[in-house]
Amino acid sequence: LAKTTQPISMDSYEGQEVNITCSHNNIATNDYITWYQQFPSQGPRFIIQGYKTKVTNEVASLFIPADRKSSTLSLPRVSLSDTAVYYCLVGDDKIIFGKGTRLHILP
Amino acid sequence: SQTIHQWPATLVQPVGSPLSLECTVEGTSNPNLYWYRQAAGRGLQLLFYSVGIGQISSEVPQNLSASRPQDRQFILSSKKLLLSDSGFYLCASPGGGTLNGYTFGSGTRLTVV
Repeated sequence: LAKTTQPISMDSYEGQEVNITCSHNNIATNDYITWYQQFPSQGPRFIIQGYKTKVTNEVASLFIPADRKSSTLSLPRVSLSDTAVYYCLVGDDKIIFGKGTRLHILP
Repeated sequence: SQTIHQWPATLVQPVGSPLSLECTVEGTSNPNLYWYRQAAGRGLQLLFYSVGIGQISSEVPQNLSASRPQDRQFILSSKKLLLSDSGFYLCASPGGGTLNGYTFGSGTRLTVV
């Protein structure tokens, strides 16, 4: 199972764009990259998933370089409600969660 | 789409008491179901996964067990709870396909006292 590494915590301000980068050097050829958001006392919520290049939805964008050894979740114009833990995962079977990135948005 | 139902939402149990947490799946069916536990301020630990009725695999040795009596039902149990069993328990399923990620239930907050 591919291991991921991401910053433990990040702070940003309302209205800013936030980029969280995740390293996954041992990603397998057929692995997708998925990001989840978790609020306190709630289950993780799917944000976005991609395989290569760029994926965008109504919530975020996901940038994946050609070597796929890293990925960057981009949250445009964050608000206080985006304060949460963000998890980067690879693969789609028995997914293993790390400690994620604790994002704190300041007013 | 898929919805994972878990109950109860919160539970306080004395040490040595039994436990039964239930997870049911509504909507799109996927044979794989998972139980995770999250200790306070920690990441999610995979406890059990099931690929079908009666098929359970344990990821870590522990005081808990799991059962899959029906395709859409996944149960987490213990005969005698320990203080270390306290945590936030989440049930999950791959949901509607690879491109939609996993769907998680709302979780059960278990406090063993």
